[in-house]
Amino acid sequence: GAVVSQHPSWVICKSGTSVKIECRSLDFQATTMFWYRQFPKQSLMLMATSNEGSKATYEQGVEKDKFLINHASLTLSTLTVTSAHPEDSSFYICSASPKGQGYYGYTFGSGTRLTVV
Amino acid sequence: GIQVEQSPPDLILQEGANSTLRCNFSDSVNNLQWFHQNPWGQLINLFYIPSGTKQNGRLSATTVATERYSLLYISSSQTTDSGVYFCAVGNDMRFGAGTRLTVKP
Repeated sequence: GAVVSQHPSWVICKSGTSVKIECRSLDFQATTMFWYRQFPKQSLMLMATSNEGSKATYEQGVEKDKFLINHASLTLSTLTVTSAHPEDSSFYICSASPKGQGYYGYTFGSGTRLTVV
Repeated sequence: GIQVEQSPPDLILQEGANSTLRCNFSDSVNNLQWFHQNPWGQLINLFYIPSGTKQNGRLSATTVATERYSLLYISSSQTTDSGVYFCAVGNDMRFGAGTRLTVKP
């Protein structure tokens, strides 16, 4: 139980295009999901907190117009990287917690490796 | 925000050796987890341990919440234990910088 599915696993896109990444909680409801970015050999940096039915909360320094987050249902949050550039190439990963639903802690998706060429 | 520090940053062991990884945090927390990140980037949840001690096979963890630290013990290490170990704390899951473990045969 407590599975988070992330799609796609990897994507290559051209500079200037947009890419959408999906994060789904498969067997629980998630009112809150988190989005992280990880550069090679570095830690996971929290980008934003996605709240179902309301606007996302972005960490300082993260451009909300570039990284659009939509949490339209209790099982789906999406991250859209708009007008992607090579410096946006990174590993993006989401997480959610099924707290109060019989599980504890946070479960992470398998991540999306984005390469912008 | 809460600060999370992990030590050591790098650790090289011979197969069969034991090790202790440490996670210090700057404020009281009601959520702490240890993860192992495999070479493909997947975060494997090892322990949910905001306090107390837990064991799972060769791994065990202890969190002393009042002193704001947690320890992850790996006994009889194997080459498959290699990778990066992260602790993450708080309701918004702030990560430490990780400990990169290399176990040599």
